[in-house]
Amino acid sequence: SQTIHQWPATLVQPVGSPLSLECTVEGTSNPNLYWYRQAAGRGLQLLFYSVGIGQISSEVPQNLSASRPQDRQFILSSKKLLLSDSGFYLCASRGTGGSYGYTFGSGTRLTVV
Amino acid sequence: RKEVEQDPGPFNVPEGATVAFNCTYSNSASQSFFWYRQDCRKEPKLLMSVYSSGNEDGRFTAQLNRASQYISLLIRDSKLSDSATYLCVVNQRTGGGNKLTFGTGTQLKVEL
Repeated sequence: SQTIHQWPATLVQPVGSPLSLECTVEGTSNPNLYWYRQAAGRGLQLLFYSVGIGQISSEVPQNLSASRPQDRQFILSSKKLLLSDSGFYLCASRGTGGSYGYTFGSGTRLTVV
Repeated sequence: RKEVEQDPGPFNVPEGATVAFNCTYSNSASQSFFWYRQDCRKEPKLLMSVYSSGNEDGRFTAQLNRASQYISLLIRDSKLSDSATYLCVVNQRTGGGNKLTFGTGTQLKVEL
């Protein structure tokens, strides 16, 4: 089964500072990878997804970017954080073979101050 | 119209009660469907997949009506530990990959 490692668990950053969140996946190869954000009291919003190395699709215009330098590594970045970037960021993976394999990392709770 | 709509609740029910959640989705091309459970300040975890024929896992029963674009989850004999937010999730194929779209969730509180 898949395991997703996501860090850090909690992050407090000042407005205008850069951001880098990393997600790595074990137990599968060539997974579809996703970054979701959940703002306080709201649903999960898909930010980016990737079907392979170097392939990134963005769902919404925003202050963030994503990269996939390796098959099982997915990075979420920002050059300058905004207050509105605060939220709970979740990395998810869907392995190959079957529709049941969506697994989430434990998330990063980001507060921009 | 939201892609996936759920009643946010909260549903406050006594222990042992039966409770039902409903969900509607707007994209008729959606391919697969799930219920996820999310505990407070935790990541979502897959509860069960949803099939047109209906499927049951212990006290939980899920149903899909493709014609009406409607998904349901029934929980029987509610336990305190069932208290959580239940997310209706729809999967679509797009650009060679798959994309999950989440409802905003229905909050359940099971009380003594």
